[in-house]
Amino acid sequence: GAVVSQHPSWVICKSGTSVKIECRSLDFQATTMFWYRQFPKQSLMLMATSNEGSKATYEQGVEKDKFLINHASLTLSTLTVTSAHPEDSSFYICSARDLYGPYTFGSGTRLTVV
Amino acid sequence: GENVEQHPSTLSVQEGDSAVIKCTYSDSASNYFPWYKQELGKRPQLIIDIRSNVGEKKDQRIAVTLNKTAKHFSLHITETQPEDSAVYFCAASISGGSNYKLTFGKGTLLTVNP
Repeated sequence: GAVVSQHPSWVICKSGTSVKIECRSLDFQATTMFWYRQFPKQSLMLMATSNEGSKATYEQGVEKDKFLINHASLTLSTLTVTSAHPEDSSFYICSARDLYGPYTFGSGTRLTVV
Repeated sequence: GENVEQHPSTLSVQEGDSAVIKCTYSDSASNYFPWYKQELGKRPQLIIDIRSNVGEKKDQRIAVTLNKTAKHFSLHITETQPEDSAVYFCAASISGGSNYKLTFGKGTLLTVNP
């Protein structure tokens, strides 16, 4: 079945630094990648949608200059949290799909900003 | 945009009992309705899905029903087991193109007591 690999699984960083999260589709071409953020005991909130080779489309209220998304190939998308602050601490999950396939989720990244 | 309401937010049942979780959606164009199970710190796992051309779908102890007219869909788990304890999310989307995003409900914490 479709597999999406997400790294790192957890990261601790200092306030003001940047963190990059990678998602790779291992056995299919991810036409579209979705990036979600999930706070404790809450639902998955979509941050942005990206297509290979195009600029990401951000949801209302999500700062595009803070959460940089790159989808340079059909198998790799990255989310960079720039100038991270404690309030950015959360569980970040990617989801990928090809044109007609199911939504396949990565394993998530637990970000803690100290 | 799409809005998905999910009830109840918490559900506690005795082992062997049935559990029902209900969702409503607002966009009549939505035609794909997956259900996910998420354990703490893990990725959401697809447990069953239904498309709008079907009214009911069953997979062993899990079933989903869809009422397009009322824009309701429900998850039914029979003969619950302690390992069914998790957070369950319903979602809605439009299938047919990779860009269509999933909109999630707020989740239901299911606890199955031995």
